[in-house]
Amino acid sequence: QKEVEQNSGPLSVPEGAIASLNCTYSDRGSQSFFWYRQYSGKSPELIMSIYSNGDKEDGRFTAQLNKASQYVSLLIRDSQPSDSATYLCAVERNGNQFYFGTGTSLTVIP
Amino acid sequence: EPEVTQTPSHQVTQMGQEVILRCVPISNHLYFYWYRQILGQKVEFLVSFYNNEISEKSEIFDDQFSVERPDGSNFTLKIRSTKLEDSAMYFCASSEAAGVGEQYFGPGTRLTVT
Repeated sequence: QKEVEQNSGPLSVPEGAIASLNCTYSDRGSQSFFWYRQYSGKSPELIMSIYSNGDKEDGRFTAQLNKASQYVSLLIRDSQPSDSATYLCAVERNGNQFYFGTGTSLTVIP
Repeated sequence: EPEVTQTPSHQVTQMGQEVILRCVPISNHLYFYWYRQILGQKVEFLVSFYNNEISEKSEIFDDQFSVERPDGSNFTLKIRSTKLEDSAMYFCASSEAAGVGEQYFGPGTRLTVT
């Protein structure tokens, strides 16, 4: 079983729509969860972190965590063409070890 | 805005040679990490480092790899005898705190082993 699973996509949404990205993880002991954005050929860029069940909002981004279902999601409201990238879910394990999913490729169509 | 820096941006080496990849973490961060990303694949955790010692390491981080903080600012990854399959992008990251700490990534070093 993979540590972190994401739908690889590609996911296409029109400009201005909501993009929904999902992630599941296998280790019930994980406490910290992160979303990164990675443009082609670039390094991962931190978007959001979430540690508690529920929603966390930051501008156009909302992260959702459900530890019982081992599920993390990211919603991007009012999607812009500049949001087109690969979105990586990362999960902490054992306190200082981190696992990334394969990423979901998002294309926002103008 | 403080950032993680890495040198070189691209390193080409022959199989069997040793390489050292260098990183300067954000100055007030205490936790340091190395990751690799083979082209088209996911980001893979290699090692975390705190207080001058390895905190966690993955199965990938075998005896050919080592890390060091030689001075107050640099953090290095050494690959002793490179193999073709070591060709990848290597990212350094740092955070203020372990586990719950948000990690900030450097721009990466592309390692090509021929």
